[in-house]
Amino acid sequence: GDSVTQMEGPVTLSEEAFLTINCTYTATGYPSLFWYVQYPGEGLQLLLKATKADDKGSNKGFEATYRKETTSFHLEKGSVQVSDSAVYFCALSIPYNNNDMRFGAGTRLTVKP
Amino acid sequence: EAQVTQNPRYLITVTGKKLTVTCSQNMNHEYMSWYRQDPGLGLRQIYYSMNVEVTDKGDVPEGYKVSRKEKRNFPLILESPSPNQTSLYFCASSSLAGESYNEQFFGPGTRLTVL
Repeated sequence: GDSVTQMEGPVTLSEEAFLTINCTYTATGYPSLFWYVQYPGEGLQLLLKATKADDKGSNKGFEATYRKETTSFHLEKGSVQVSDSAVYFCALSIPYNNNDMRFGAGTRLTVKP
Repeated sequence: EAQVTQNPRYLITVTGKKLTVTCSQNMNHEYMSWYRQDPGLGLRQIYYSMNVEVTDKGDVPEGYKVSRKEKRNFPLILESPSPNQTSLYFCASSSLAGESYNEQFFGPGTRLTVL
């Protein structure tokens, strides 16, 4: 079935370091891909999205490119801040399929000053 | 402000004592869903609803019930809670009209402990 696999954490970085969180997917159709972020004590918030191959989603300095050939949607940021400390979830959705959304296990990021 | 609200935010209860977690959205969304979040497992869908009076099972529906009598509300009912239902629960909603990418909006979560 449709699924998402993301790199296990936790990930600990120093401020201004480069961030990559890997995400790969398996889907029978043509999924839309998402990154959600969960700050401590809060619900999930949409960080960025891409709806078709080669689309690049971006927000708050984060980027991810929908790569159909490698079935990947890796999250990157050039210079992380302490305020980026959170749990990041990769997710996919098959349009017109009962709104079904599949989430990865989540990757906890801690950024130290 | 567009939002999804859940109550209570924290709940400690005992095995077998029926409880209800409420969920309400003010965005006129057709679709609503309940997830549970457990360490290392991400979010798993419990139940979802495509519209009023239309509900269906997700991946882990055992031990849960839902109802959708009004468009804005989607309560989660645990008739006889057990310790394995200790988890963090999220309600989410989205529109089914227009865009096809199905962005979901999440509530703040309910942390449930069943002793």
